Amino acid sequence: RKEVEQDPGPFNVPEGATVAFNCTYSNSASQSFFWYRQDCRKEPKLLMSVYSSGNEDGRFTAQLNRASQYISLLIRDSKLSDSATYLCVVRARSASKIIFGSGTRLSIRP
Amino acid sequence: GAGVSQSPRYKVAKRGQDVALRCDPISGHVSLFWYQQALGQGPEFLTYFQNEAQLDKSGLPSDRFFAERPEGSVSTLKIQRTQQEDSAVYLCASSLGRDSNQPQHFGDGTRLSIL
Repeated sequence: RKEVEQDPGPFNVPEGATVAFNCTYSNSASQSFFWYRQDCRKEPKLLMSVYSSGNEDGRFTAQLNRASQYISLLIRDSKLSDSATYLCVVRARSASKIIFGSGTRLSIRP
Repeated sequence: GAGVSQSPRYKVAKRGQDVALRCDPISGHVSLFWYQQALGQGPEFLTYFQNEAQLDKSGLPSDRFFAERPEGSVSTLKIQRTQQEDSAVYLCASSLGRDSNQPQHFGDGTRLSIL
């Protein structure tokens, strides 16, 4: 079993829709969580950190469920420009132990 | 520059050749990471530096892979006697401090193709 698992998708949704995807992690000692987005043939870029109380940044909401060991990303009112691969990142207390998920592909159609 | 800079952007080498990939992190960033990303996969951790010290090299796939950061700034990832399975995008990332809460900033990557 992978340490960090994501549904690879693709999720194909119409513009304006709300879409959500989860990421599960196996290491209960994980301390920090992030969502990155990666466009085709580009580098990953930080989308948002994920805090224990949940956090929102515009149309994006991230949640952490420590009991069930998953994080989620919700995108409201999706735009064509949201089409990308979304990578879940889990980090243990040790700064070097960083695990990326394989990514979830999202495609927004007009 | 303002971001993480990697060179070359593309590298084609014949199997058996040695290659060297360079990473110039954001100025003042203490932590530096190397990742390998295969097509359709997320980045896989290779190694981590805190300043000039290589604190974790557990992700290096074999002893053909070597990384250094002698002055705590620029880092080089060297692959000796390259194999076809080394073909991937090699990403470098840096972060400001040692705290695991700090996000990483990635370079554009080096796309390595081994023929």
